[in-house]
Amino acid sequence: GESVGLHLPTLSVQEGDNSIINCAYSNSASDYFIWYKQESGKGPQFIIDIRSNMDKRQGQRVTVLLNKTVKHLSLQIAATQPGDSAVYFCAENGGYSTLTFGKGTMLLVSP
Amino acid sequence: GAGVSQSPSNKVTEKGKDVELRCDPISGHTALYWYRQRLGQGLEFLIYFQGNSAPDKSGLPSDRFSAERTGESVSTLTIQRTQQEDSAVYLCASSLAAGRGRSPLHFGNGTRLTVT
Repeated sequence: GESVGLHLPTLSVQEGDNSIINCAYSNSASDYFIWYKQESGKGPQFIIDIRSNMDKRQGQRVTVLLNKTVKHLSLQIAATQPGDSAVYFCAENGGYSTLTFGKGTMLLVSP
Repeated sequence: GAGVSQSPSNKVTEKGKDVELRCDPISGHTALYWYRQRLGQGLEFLIYFQGNSAPDKSGLPSDRFSAERTGESVSTLTIQRTQQEDSAVYLCASSLAAGRGRSPLHFGNGTRLTVT
């Protein structure tokens, strides 16, 4: 899993598996969280967001879970595909107008 | 435009030279951000512009770094007397003003700066 401040971890999965990427955040004032996907040579791409008044939000093949009690955020990707291979970042707003990013988790999907 | 546009995409410069990086945000986005990303690292906040308000410069690492924004459009990030530790990808993002930290940032593909 990932925590703001740790080295980049790697998650390797097989195509078709479900993937879970974890993130621990530290700022209890954060009320907005985002997951981004970054492919090599590109800027981060928005995947899904969640506000602190929710504990789960679903998108297309992705689900974000928020546990405010333990300050934990996760991204679940269903039926992972080779095109999902990228670095995934969680970000929190800390109650401010800017986002603080973790260092990311690399997802490697094998065909 | 369709997305955030940054130029140049790559810049190689000699130590001590000044560089200027450009960002064109998404039309209608009044909030604009600059971030720095070192190799294999997360994104480090540099500066934030919101409309006509004074920018939040709290992330600028030194006085060699500065940024300007013309109205609610183009922004330039200037690095004076570049150092090797300035080598990184500089990412620009924009978002809707109403979000105030609660709406997604839309990123460009960045400028990869290499200081030799």
